[in-house]
Amino acid sequence: EDQVTQSPEALRLQEGESSSLNCSYTVSGLRGLFWYRQDPGKGPEFLFTLYSAGEEKEKERLKATLTKKESFLHITAPKPEDSATYLCAVQADLNEKLTFGTGTRLTIIP
Amino acid sequence: DAGITQSPRYKITETGRQVTLMCHQTWSHSYMFWYRQDLGHGLRLIYYSAAADITDKGEVPDGYVVSRSKTENFPLTLESATRSQTSVYFCASSEFRGATEAFFGQGTRLTVV
Repeated sequence: EDQVTQSPEALRLQEGESSSLNCSYTVSGLRGLFWYRQDPGKGPEFLFTLYSAGEEKEKERLKATLTKKESFLHITAPKPEDSATYLCAVQADLNEKLTFGTGTRLTIIP
Repeated sequence: DAGITQSPRYKITETGRQVTLMCHQTWSHSYMFWYRQDLGHGLRLIYYSAAADITDKGEVPDGYVVSRSKTENFPLTLESATRSQTSVYFCASSEFRGATEAFFGQGTRLTVV
């Protein structure tokens, strides 16, 4: 059974204080690993897809990396508008569904 | 407007009633999905559809029925609502088979009393 574990559950940072969110996964053949951002009262918004170990992707202050067992979402010099819940999901080979973690709730304090 | 829309945004219903949540997408995406989101469980897949008239069960399908007579619509019906079905429901769509991103609607907050 595919599993995704995200840590920490919640993270509070000062504005400008860089940190990383972790997503550990077990899957029977990884087709893709996805990062989403979810704001309160809204649906998840797609950020990145990673396909293979060693791959990295960046978008503004966010950078996602992937190993064979985990993915990190690095946030550099965050701003209050980066506050959200960040969700990680995996898709296994020969499977159309996404398995989601429970998310990390990130709060950036001005 | 282009995108994926869900209706209603909020719904309160009584135990035992039938309720249908609507989902409409304008991209002509092949795949559509229904998830529920609960504290401590994250997003869990209820049903998905690969094309019109093709549907399949996800992780938590019991008590739910779906149909997809048209590519753009994917309604979710709770045949006899129970309190355990109180949740936030999200519809999503994606274009291709494979590791492509899914786009989510705004969600429907359903309360069963």
